Amino acid sequence: EADIYQTPRYLVIGTGKKITLECSQTMGHDKMYWYQQDPGMELHLIHYSYGVNSTEKGDLSSESTVSRIRTEHFPLTLESARPSHTSQYLCASSGITKDYGYTFGSGTRLTVV
Amino acid sequence: GENVEQHPSTLSVQEGDSAVIKCTYSDSASNYFPWYKQELGKRPQLIIDIRSNVGEKKDQRIAVTLNKTAKHFSLHITETQPEDSAVYFCAASNTGNQFYFGTGTSLTVIP
Repeated sequence: EADIYQTPRYLVIGTGKKITLECSQTMGHDKMYWYQQDPGMELHLIHYSYGVNSTEKGDLSSESTVSRIRTEHFPLTLESARPSHTSQYLCASSGITKDYGYTFGSGTRLTVV
Repeated sequence: GENVEQHPSTLSVQEGDSAVIKCTYSDSASNYFPWYKQELGKRPQLIIDIRSNVGEKKDQRIAVTLNKTAKHFSLHITETQPEDSAVYFCAASNTGNQFYFGTGTSLTVIP
């Protein structure tokens, strides 16, 4: 089934560690996005990509980086995790379809201790 | 760029009553307005959308209205049920190039 997948679902990690949150989609979408969201709160766009080798920073300043080497894959990397990075990270994708097919992944809930 | 404002931030209604959530946008080039529902611990999911060439769209108990002149659109939920309790996000987009989300409304339906 076409969908967008995020791993891991939950992650607890120590301060200073490097982590990569994975996001892959089988929707055939060209655009992908990363959001940071505290539970039930506003969605903050931190990175987006309109295609392979294209990445942009979003509205929320972030210490993370992203890459888009393959259309279906858009990983997010934190070089040195801090407690302030504790949050939920949602990946999304959209494409040129009738309703643009804007779809969110199930999220990664990150806790930095 | 586009700025989407959403009100109220929290809303409590009695089961069976109606709920209305309002959003305004700033960019007249926006032409697609979806609404997402996010239940506790789950991902936001599209529940209804409207395009700028339509003034109203309805799907069972939910409806969306759009006023292009005033640049505002609203979500209406009738005969609310406890399962309608969730956070709702509006969004605005110009032909799917970028999506700008409102700040969310936490709806609680009291049985």
